[in-house]
Amino acid sequence: EIVMTQSPVTLSVSPGERATLSCRASQSVSSNLAWYQQKPGQAPRLLIYDASTRATGIPARFSGSGSGTEFTLTISSLQSEDFAVYYCQQCNNWPRSFGQGTRLEIK
Amino acid sequence: EVQLVESGGGLVQPGGSLRLSCAVSGFTFSNYEMNWVRQAPGKGLEWVSYTSSSGTTIYYADSVKGRFTISRDNARISLYLQMNSLRPEDTAVYYCVRESMSYNILTGYHYYMDVWGKGTTVTVSS
Repeated sequence: EIVMTQSPVTLSVSPGERATLSCRASQSVSSNLAWYQQKPGQAPRLLIYDASTRATGIPARFSGSGSGTEFTLTISSLQSEDFAVYYCQQCNNWPRSFGQGTRLEIK
Repeated sequence: EVQLVESGGGLVQPGGSLRLSCAVSGFTFSNYEMNWVRQAPGKGLEWVSYTSSSGTTIYYADSVKGRFTISRDNARISLYLQMNSLRPEDTAVYYCVRESMSYNILTGYHYYMDVWGKGTTVTVSS
């Protein structure tokens, strides 16, 4: 099973600043990496797939990069609605596996 | 509007059974692969099971293999998860999730979970 490790566990950033979230896979997943956002009491929402392709309706301030084992989600200028938990997921192998999540909180 | 609506959750004793259902609308169900993903209270996301669009290819997480059965009825436009021999650690919100695919000429096929239901809560406790 591929283990996905996200860092940091919690990230404190001020509104308007840039946030950078990391995700590492225990073995190569090519570019089969997705990012999801989850707010309290809500289902996750797809943000990025294919490591860098924004899903429909996702603002341009969200961007993804990386391939192989190292991936990054960048939020260029944080808005109040962006404070949430973010998960990465590899879609290259079975079983599908998620990272443990990064909580993005207001500084 | 694309929509997935789960039902069938509830309180069950350890060793008991439940059958979750997912009603689908807004897209051609028979064209899509589907998953169940769960989230224990205060925890992260855990993939549970997958079925191909025809139902001929199925995968399970090791944690549920032999106890859970995923199925689909393309005529009834529904996805199911039969859960037997339930354990306290199965307590979670269970999400029905659509899987989509894209093709990139440079990097090939890519898969992602693009539509999620609101979830149904399963509590396993005596």
